[in-house]
Amino acid sequence: DTAVSQTPKYLVTQMGNDKSIKCEQNLGHDTMYWYKQDSKKFLKIMFSYNNKELIINETVPNRFSPKSPDKAHLNLHINSLELGDSAVYFCASSQALGETQYFGPGTRLLVL
Amino acid sequence: QQPVQSPQAVILREGEDAVINCSSSKALYSVHWYRQKHGEAPVFLMILLKGGEQKGHDKISASFNEKKQQSSLYLTASQLSYSGTYFCGTAGSGNTGKLIFGQGTTLQVKP
Repeated sequence: DTAVSQTPKYLVTQMGNDKSIKCEQNLGHDTMYWYKQDSKKFLKIMFSYNNKELIINETVPNRFSPKSPDKAHLNLHINSLELGDSAVYFCASSQALGETQYFGPGTRLLVL
Repeated sequence: QQPVQSPQAVILREGEDAVINCSSSKALYSVHWYRQKHGEAPVFLMILLKGGEQKGHDKISASFNEKKQQSSLYLTASQLSYSGTYFCGTAGSGNTGKLIFGQGTTLQVKP
């Protein structure tokens, strides 16, 4: 029944570790996104994929690498985690570029 | 360039009206409005496309003035469930799907 799902919901880890967040959508959408929301609620686009092709790659440290194995999945891998990476990461999807984006529940990442 | 929302915060009594504004310094193709409750994901409210249209559903409506590069969200006869943070997301031409979100407007509706 869930439209856009993310795992895990919470992630607590030490500085320097590598972690992945998974996202899946069952809406049949072609486009998927990753957003970062910081402690001040600022919501910023990181990446987007359309039909598995990278479309948006904002100024994000190259420690962040998205991977889209198919149109229904977009995962985010983060290497060498830093304190400043602590945030809520939202996955979203839309039918096509420019159309309404539907957000997943978010992954709360805390780097200690 | 991040759009600017005003006001930053507003407190209402149930039944009162509110207007949230979103202003951009760049030409806009579309404006997307979302509401986010604490600890939850942003939830889509409506999308307005270039053309100066006005949209609404239930007691929430919005307008888009592309010449002024502004959009406004109108909340009529507010209900407790309207409480949350409202974000506008703006998209320029190019159809990349990239939304730039404003800093948010926190709305609290009291009984």
